[in-house]
Amino acid sequence: SQKIEQNSEALNIQEGKTATLTCNYTNYSPAYLQWYRQDPGRGPVFLLLIRENEKEKRKERLKVTFDTTLKQSLFHITASQPADSATYLCALDASNAGNMLTFGGGTRLMVKP
Amino acid sequence: EAGVTQFPSHSVIEKGQTVTLRCDPISGHDNLYWYRRVMGKEIKFLLHFVKESKQDESGMPNNRFLAERTGGTYSTLKVQPAELEDSGVYFCASSHPPRWTRSGETQYFGPGTRLLVL
Repeated sequence: SQKIEQNSEALNIQEGKTATLTCNYTNYSPAYLQWYRQDPGRGPVFLLLIRENEKEKRKERLKVTFDTTLKQSLFHITASQPADSATYLCALDASNAGNMLTFGGGTRLMVKP
Repeated sequence: EAGVTQFPSHSVIEKGQTVTLRCDPISGHDNLYWYRRVMGKEIKFLLHFVKESKQDESGMPNNRFLAERTGGTYSTLKVQPAELEDSGVYFCASSHPPRWTRSGETQYFGPGTRLLVL
């Protein structure tokens, strides 16, 4: 069955540094991959989508890469700020028929001032 | 534009009772999804509506769960009778129809309903 792995340990970095989060998946070839941000007590908020034929996607301070050979996506936040502290979720399309998502467990990012 | 809303925000019930969760999607969104996150686990898909029709309910855990979307607007998810393992956060998400299958689209999530079954 599909499996998505994100580092369950919190990532602590200093303000201004680049945060890099990893998403690895097995037993599947997704058509696309999405990254969401989740704050405590709130629902996930969409950040970026990258398709299987795209290597990299950028949005302001965010960058996502997608390596279908390694079955891995990297999510980067440059010039990180304390306000970037949150849990970041990786999600893949879960089937050949629809657009429902399969989520990873998320990685908690803490940016210290 | 108003976001996805869910009601109630919290619910504490006893085992064996019935609970109904409600989701109001963003106006105009044909797609409506229910997801659930149980303690310590990842968010998991429950089911998917396209307008009023169930497109996929493969994630529904068992027949104690019943979802409806009458008129293709808001949706309800009823758990009857509730069991201890049903505790968790239930999320609803909505989206516009994708341009083509598996093209991917932004899913807008509600804040979730936190259900605790005692």
